[in-house]
Amino acid sequence: DAGITQSPRHKVTETGTPVTLRCHQTENHRYMYWYRQDPGHGLRLIHYSYGVKDTDKGEVSDGYSVSRSKTEDFLLTLESATSSQTSVYFCAISSLGVDEQFFGPGTRLTVL
Amino acid sequence: EDQVTQSPEALRLQEGESSSLNCSYTVSGLRGLFWYRQDPGKGPEFLFTLYSAGEEKEKERLKATLTKKESFLHITAPKPEDSATYLCAVQTGGSEKLVFGKGTKLTVNP
Repeated sequence: DAGITQSPRHKVTETGTPVTLRCHQTENHRYMYWYRQDPGHGLRLIHYSYGVKDTDKGEVSDGYSVSRSKTEDFLLTLESATSSQTSVYFCAISSLGVDEQFFGPGTRLTVL
Repeated sequence: EDQVTQSPEALRLQEGESSSLNCSYTVSGLRGLFWYRQDPGKGPEFLFTLYSAGEEKEKERLKATLTKKESFLHITAPKPEDSATYLCAVQTGGSEKLVFGKGTKLTVNP
């Protein structure tokens, strides 16, 4: 299994509070991705990174920000969580960006 | 806009009953098509990458094929442990991103 961990694995928070999810990899892969998965929508890309301090938006980036200060860590921040951000969040990594992506175990986030 | 459609949404099979899952796509310049398996409560697990029409790849009871408009995941003599959601994704030329379909939930009854 690719060395990808996500923390926390589960979180319950209230509307309006800030939330940060962490993705950590031990593979030294250049590319890292954040997805959300919701029933009826499948996996949708939020943001991705193609190097330290290099990030770009995906299709559902509104309300989310990311940071990558080290190769191994990619943080996803919800500045002010809303109920519509209740979802399962997956991190993925890729070596070249044009090859397969490997996924972490996911974080289940509930916003009340 | 790139689109990926998977069918059927759900499929129930008896153990040993072979079938196929479909992934049709509309993209501007396919670079690669990816198949993943996802078990409940877990992240997607990579299965195959296909790059050009006519290409086939196999792994145990699974075989993936690719044409210019769609891909099939053939499951031969499935077992209950093959029960999972199977996801298809495409990557277009010049992009480092994947576009996923909504998946097919496969249930194999003993």
